[in-house]
Amino acid sequence: QQQVKQSPQSLIVQKGGISIINCAYENTAFDYFPWYQQFPGKGPALLIAIRPDVSEKKEGRFTISFNKSAKQFSLHIMDSQPGDSATYFCAASKSGGYQKVTFGIGTKLQVIP
Amino acid sequence: DVKVTQSSRYLVKRTGEKVFLECVQDMDHENMFWYRQDPGLGLRLIYFSYDVKMKEKGDIPEGYSVSREKKERFSLILESASTNQTSMYLCASSRWNEQFFGPGTRLTVL
Repeated sequence: QQQVKQSPQSLIVQKGGISIINCAYENTAFDYFPWYQQFPGKGPALLIAIRPDVSEKKEGRFTISFNKSAKQFSLHIMDSQPGDSATYFCAASKSGGYQKVTFGIGTKLQVIP
Repeated sequence: DVKVTQSSRYLVKRTGEKVFLECVQDMDHENMFWYRQDPGLGLRLIYFSYDVKMKEKGDIPEGYSVSREKKERFSLILESASTNQTSMYLCASSRWNEQFFGPGTRLTVL
């Protein structure tokens, strides 16, 4: 049972382009939606996160768009660079205390020069 | 900086062996997690712990057990390793929502 559905599984974008990764969740109790970035040989690391009280959050070239009614959220990487090539995981959880995090299956992004 | 370390980066074991994967965090986090990462399946939670000697099953606990005798250390145990447990194993710790991951242990079971 996949509670967080992520697409696409792989993505090739030209340098300078926009990378878009989409996720959808089922559990309406989720109220924390992070994105993690994983480089080869490393563990995932938090990139950016959003809570459902806002529809968009921007940090540099990375933006999360959130649609609460559709239960969807997406990551946009503007002006994509070869250094952005990594695997990206969306995730969802309830906030507070100890909480399980449910991850999407990941998107392998390759930015080509 | 939060640091999560895992005892081995690569491990090769034989079917039926007992395997211990160790994880240590240095930020006094209450919560610790074990995941396995497989292509096309993402990160799947095996077990987690929210306090010393406390443990909860994740989504795929079968064939695994865990131990948390000290706050900073969380061990994953494969009682009798099988070939379908060949995978990348990731440990993480958290206090609130952000999870901090170790570099992973790539386990091969022959």
